[in-house]
Amino acid sequence: QQQVKQSPQSLIVQKGGISIINCAYENTAFDYFPWYQQFPGKGPALLIAIRPDVSEKKEGRFTISFNKSAKQFSLHIMDSQPGDSATYFCAIGGGNKLTFGTGTQLKVEL
Amino acid sequence: DAGVIQSPRHEVTEMGQEVTLRCKPISGHDYLFWYRQTMMRGLELLIYFNNNVPIDDSGMPEDRFSAKMPNASFSTLKIQPSEPRDSAVYFCASSWGTGELFFGEGSRLTVL
Repeated sequence: QQQVKQSPQSLIVQKGGISIINCAYENTAFDYFPWYQQFPGKGPALLIAIRPDVSEKKEGRFTISFNKSAKQFSLHIMDSQPGDSATYFCAIGGGNKLTFGTGTQLKVEL
Repeated sequence: DAGVIQSPRHEVTEMGQEVTLRCKPISGHDYLFWYRQTMMRGLELLIYFNNNVPIDDSGMPEDRFSAKMPNASFSTLKIQPSEPRDSAVYFCASSWGTGELFFGEGSRLTVL
């Protein structure tokens, strides 16, 4: 069963634009909601994460918005740059393990 | 500091052969995870260990897969016998149990 649904599968954004990736989860038992970034040939790396006691967290150009009642969270990348082109995974955490979404391939064009 | 180290980076083998993937976690981390990544299924958790003890192996596909962690600095994932559908990138990750996972660069397995 898929516990976390991620969309879109792929995304093309112009340089300077805003990239938005969404995730929805089914079980309210989770208490940790990270986003990971993966470049080709590399392992995923933590980008930003949020706990359910806050609705938003911002780190530089990256923001997580969290809606506990709707069981949804999203990643916003402001002023998107070509160097942001990568695959992004949301994840849900509980009990020391992470369950990942299916990933979004982001391409930022000049 | 050295990150998570995986070997081999690439493995090509024939159906029916035994495959062993290796992982050295970050020193001091007490959790170790094995994930499999494919285009169709994304990142799937296969098994994870805490203090060298397997905690959850519910993601291991079938009895052909086995994982061990004989000490805090080494783990193996073994597939015997291998099948073409096992072709994927296998990632090892480690953590302190605070949530953040540190991934290795993966082992790309191709079973012909």
